[in-house]
Parts: sequence; structure tokens; C-alpha cells
Amino acid sequence: AQSVTQLGSHVSVSEGALVLLRCNYSSSVPPYLFWYVQYPNQGLQLLLKYTTGATLVKGINGFEAEFKKSETSFHLTKPSAHMSDAAEYFCAVSLNNAGNMLTFGGGTRLMVKP
Amino acid sequence: EPEVTQTPSHQVTQMGQEVILRCVPISNHLYFYWYRQILGQKVEFLVSFYNNEISEKSEIFDDQFSVERPDGSNFTLKIRSTKLEDSAMYFCASGKTVDQPQHFGDGTRLSIL
Repeated sequence: AQSVTQLGSHVSVSEGALVLLRCNYSSSVPPYLFWYVQYPNQGLQLLLKYTTGATLVKGINGFEAEFKKSETSFHLTKPSAHMSDAAEYFCAVSLNNAGNMLTFGGGTRLMVKP
Repeated sequence: EPEVTQTPSHQVTQMGQEVILRCVPISNHLYFYWYRQILGQKVEFLVSFYNNEISEKSEIFDDQFSVERPDGSNFTLKIRSTKLEDSAMYFCASGKTVDQPQHFGDGTRLSIL
């Protein structure tokens, strides 16, 4: 069975500051890892994914994440926060294929202060 | 960009009534999913559907739940006799192949009174 833990249900940063959202997973087999973003009253939008290959993956809106197997982590970063980044971010894992069931973390609400 | 469309956006139903939540997946996608999120809790997998049959389901997806692809475009989730604890946001998702990420709709908020 797999699980996902997101440290920090709320993260607040100033506009222009580094964004770091933490995600740790547990999995019995090599995982497929995802970050989704949810803006108010909208669905889940895929930010980026790790399947195989390069461990640093780049996504939309300037976000990137690094798969660290030794740390079982997949933290999401963005060098400079923008007001429009304020949203809820979900880390998720699936096993064997990207199309298998997703197990989500609890989500992190990112607030960006002017 | 193609989207997954869910209707209605908000459904209010009396406890014990049947409810059908509707989804139109992206047109060339073959894999379909339902997830739910109870307020304040994690997004949870309910069921996946491929080739007109359920491929995977969670413990939540009991006999009160069913899914159907009644035609070439719709994918529905039926709850036969709703309970108060079925109140949640229900998300439909679709994927082109088993190797591709899932694309989500905006969700249907189900409120059971």
C-alpha cells in the first residue's frame, strides 16, 4: 500500500520569495509521483509528474520538483512566488502506471502575501 | 484545451434518495475515474473504469455505488440510497492511456440533507 504525507497544511510566503511545499511518500514499488493544484471553485490541475528518468521535473507556471528516492520525497519548489500561485496543492502517488489509482496527500494551502 | 466536464456543479438531495452524478470525459480518453473529497479530508479514490468494466475500486465503493458509461461520451456515478456521510465533492477524471496522467473535472458538490 502507498501513502503520501504533506508537511504543513498551510504555507505562507511573501511575493517574490521561494516556495517550498513538502511531500513524502511510502511505496513498496517504484512510485509515479504527481503534484496537482486546485484554485478556488476549480478542479485539480496537473502541475508536473515524475514517472521514470530525470529526477528533477519541471512543470507549468515555473514550478519544479525533485524525486529523491533515498529520502522518499518529492518536494515542490518555485524560485519566486507570485500572487496568482495562491491555491491548494496536492501531492499524489500511483503504482506501476500513471493511470492507476492515485493516493493523495492532505494538501497544502499556499498563501502569498504582497 | 480539452476538459473534463461535470454536471451539476452542486446537487442537493434528501437522505435515502438516489443520485446520479454526470461526467463527460475528454473525447479520446479511454480510462475513467471517480474520486471524492469530504470537507476537510483527503481526496480519496473510488473507482476506475476501462473497456466498459470496473478495473479497480476502493473499500468506499460498496454496493450503494455504481458506474456506467451509457453512451460514447458520458460517464456516470450513481449512489443508490444516499447517506449523510456521502456529502462530499466528487471529482471525475479521465486518462488517454494507462501510462498517462489523469485529468480532472471541476467536481460536483453533493449535499445530503
